[in-house]
Amino acid sequence: EADIYQTPRYLVIGTGKKITLECSQTMGHDKMYWYQQDPGMELHLIHYSYGVNSTEKGDLSSESTVSRIRTEHFPLTLESARPSHTSQYLCASSEWDGFSSGEQYFGPGTRLTVT
Amino acid sequence: AQKVTQAQTEISVVEKEDVTLDCVYETRDTTYYLFWYKQPPSGELVFLIRRNSFDEQNEISGRYSWNFQKSTSSFNFTITASQVVDSAVYFCAPRMSGSARQLTFGSGTQLTVLP
Repeated sequence: EADIYQTPRYLVIGTGKKITLECSQTMGHDKMYWYQQDPGMELHLIHYSYGVNSTEKGDLSSESTVSRIRTEHFPLTLESARPSHTSQYLCASSEWDGFSSGEQYFGPGTRLTVT
Repeated sequence: AQKVTQAQTEISVVEKEDVTLDCVYETRDTTYYLFWYKQPPSGELVFLIRRNSFDEQNEISGRYSWNFQKSTSSFNFTITASQVVDSAVYFCAPRMSGSARQLTFGSGTQLTVLP
């Protein structure tokens, strides 16, 4: 069973507010990821990290930013939330894969609604 | 860019029936990994199985089995004797050997198992 946590699970917030979605894992994984998923749709990678002080943008352009100061922690921040940011945000982690299988383990997700 | 096609948007079966979920992907890579994930209504993604491209032996794990055909780029997933708790969205996700080696998710298949 994977040990990856996300808070909050649900968030309703007004337009223009700054928000930070938290993600932590206790597995010592080097790689971490943020995905955005609209209801009933596929997942889109928005950010990933190979390790401390490493962050990269994913395939889907996002106005959010991330940081990786500690191995276990990978928070996502929206400086000014807008209704278009309403979505589910999923955090995941995996071992440094080289070319091993590198399956990703997911947190429970944060369902964000911006009014 | 890699493309993943899960042509079955929704499938309904009656409990105890077997069900096969289809996945076809595009890749120029000769070496890669393939994954299936399950997303129950609670929202988190659960890792189910992985398969590497250089071993075409098909396997069975409990009620799950999979059929990997490299020649046709297909990776189908079968649940034997389905149960109501199997109701979820199932995602196929290849991981290719590109520089980022990220997962590419299909659009998912909604499986409903009726009692």
